Amino acid sequence: QVLLQESGPGLVKPSETLSLTCAVSGGSITSGYWGWIRQSPGKGLEWIGYFSYTATTNYNPSLKSRVVISVDTSNNHFSLKLSSVTAADTAVYYCARGLYGSGSYLYFDPWGQGTLVTVSS
Amino acid sequence: EIVLTQSPGTLSLSPGERATLSCRASQSVSSSYLAWYQQKPGQAPRLLIYGASSRATGIPDRFSGSGSGTDFTLNISRLEPEDFAVYYCQQYGKSPITFGQGTRLEIK
Repeated sequence: QVLLQESGPGLVKPSETLSLTCAVSGGSITSGYWGWIRQSPGKGLEWIGYFSYTATTNYNPSLKSRVVISVDTSNNHFSLKLSSVTAADTAVYYCARGLYGSGSYLYFDPWGQGTLVTVSS
Repeated sequence: EIVLTQSPGTLSLSPGERATLSCRASQSVSSSYLAWYQQKPGQAPRLLIYGASSRATGIPDRFSGSGSGTDFTLNISRLEPEDFAVYYCQQYGKSPITFGQGTRLEIK
């Protein structure tokens, strides 16, 4: 059974970089796809990006200039960095495993419990 | 990007009734790459349906999905108390991956 757990600061100042980590248990991040999604009252659920250790990284074009997803295989976790944050980046951030059909992009299962990040000075 | 519009915004029903939730896409969703999720307060979304009509592991058979092209439906045949939640659709046929705004299913 794959389990995911997000961690990181709950408060980030405007213009700084948001950094979160997702720890994976019950599965290896060197296999399959893994992604980040966020949820805010204003914008609902928004896909941020995903990666495959053996293939590609894909980011939402609306965030691409500010996002980096990286992987730490020694600890079986992956990370999200979102730079130059504003109040609009305040959201619950989820990590999730990505699944796909033939030739498709990803749907997500399971999800971590989520972590609230507030952008405020 | 593909915009998903869910209706109704809120659906008020009683346990035992049938629920029908709609998800309409702004353009055709290729190969029915549409998923449905359930979210309860304070919890992460849970996958219910993928490929428009395939139930995820452990999902009761009272949940069913249908549709193709731009019109998709999630049906819950006999509502149980634990089914009252918010439901989201998601398309994964075209980048960027997008979600609907959700339908809140509340107890009447």
